[in-house]
Amino acid sequence: DAGVIQSPRHEVTEMGQEVTLRCKPISGHDYLFWYRQTMMRGLELLIYFNNNVPIDDSGMPEDRFSAKMPNASFSTLKIQPSEPRDSAVYFCASSFGREGPDTQYFGPGTRLTVL
Amino acid sequence: GQNIDQPTEMTATEGAIVQINCTYQTSGFNGLFWYQQHAGEAPTFLSYNVLDGLEEKGRFSSFLSRSKGYSYLLLKELQMKDSASYLCAVMDSNYQLIWGAGTKLIIKP
Repeated sequence: DAGVIQSPRHEVTEMGQEVTLRCKPISGHDYLFWYRQTMMRGLELLIYFNNNVPIDDSGMPEDRFSAKMPNASFSTLKIQPSEPRDSAVYFCASSFGREGPDTQYFGPGTRLTVL
Repeated sequence: GQNIDQPTEMTATEGAIVQINCTYQTSGFNGLFWYQQHAGEAPTFLSYNVLDGLEEKGRFSSFLSRSKGYSYLLLKELQMKDSASYLCAVMDSNYQLIWGAGTKLIIKP
């Protein structure tokens, strides 16, 4: 079975540009999570969706960040405008859920560098 | 507040045994997870404990004591490929995963 798919794997952009990260969750999973990981702050939850609906976006740093999930097999995380402090690895993860999300499975990540 | 504590770094010798501890204080408890993360890669699921006791899975075992807010990951017969970071995460009453900062395990020949 295919795991979580993310694209691009690497992104280098200049400050002020728009960045769009993409994620395809594991088929049948009804939860999708966006994380950011840096050496300083570790793994941080940005937002998560249940059945395509955003449930908790309290981790989104500021209005420059937005996320959408138009259908069960696709989600995007957009940063506009990007800043050097946004440089990090961004992971997407998905899980089944009953009362709540179950074990999370991570995609390979997108390494973002903002110059 | 919610808090997960684990050592920043540990060193062990190939073929030996190492125990990585994790203590937690969270709003409720719906299970504890251990993930392995090799440098430059994504976290991968290792184990899940929701009841007290030891769960064994090959060379890896995970223990939980809910009354003490404590878990450990035990790695036996260490191999060089076990060099990685090990992340402890607790699912709270809202089914949110609270992540520890990770323990970097260095294996020496």
